[in-house]
Amino acid sequence: GAGVSQSPSNKVTEKGKDVELRCDPISGHTALYWYRQSLGQGLEFLIYFQGNSAPDKSGLPSDRFSAERTGGSVSTLTIQRTQQEDSAVYLCASSSPAGESRTDTQYFGPGTRLTVL
Amino acid sequence: QQQVKQSPQSLIVQKGGISIINCAYENTAFDYFPWYQQFPGKGPALLIAIRPDVSEKKEGRFTISFNKSAKQFSLHIMDSQPGDSATYFCAASRGFGAGTALIFGKGTTLSVSS
Repeated sequence: GAGVSQSPSNKVTEKGKDVELRCDPISGHTALYWYRQSLGQGLEFLIYFQGNSAPDKSGLPSDRFSAERTGGSVSTLTIQRTQQEDSAVYLCASSSPAGESRTDTQYFGPGTRLTVL
Repeated sequence: QQQVKQSPQSLIVQKGGISIINCAYENTAFDYFPWYQQFPGKGPALLIAIRPDVSEKKEGRFTISFNKSAKQFSLHIMDSQPGDSATYFCAASRGFGAGTALIFGKGTTLSVSS
């Protein structure tokens, strides 16, 4: 694909429901990141996957948040029992730090706007 | 504790003017300092980046100035244009080339008036 894609682009849910957000990284990128962007705030790191290594989950705000990456490609961010404060834009990025170019450029998707009513 | 502090929060510049956005960081282990540009409804896109072994990097109208001793870096946009109106984020990370999470500033909304 041409870039990082995310789905859905918008998600409205009720408080207490579970949601799943999907990210398709750039083909061949070994690293995948999830960030959260709240209104008026910068991007907040959530979780990072690199190849087959154990993910860095240090940014997850609570145990209601989890993510997995299947087959080293597609990733799903799951938020259980959503709360109103979870409302934000969830951004996914990928990079190829282990590739020949050894660049740290992170390429971002357009994000999923989550609204919890 | 905010590791990357960005200012100003918003900026209005006349067309043709110079836009300056400043960032300060705390962690001396950071070794990669990118600036990202974000338009409404889009994800951030890398604009320009610098590593601490140089004090300045220029790409077209965009320049990063880096002061390692002060732990500060800034973005200068020369000859600002209305198309530059966007939100700009500075960021920092450690372990360049290994792939690590970026720590972002809170962003600066730039408006360039025509």
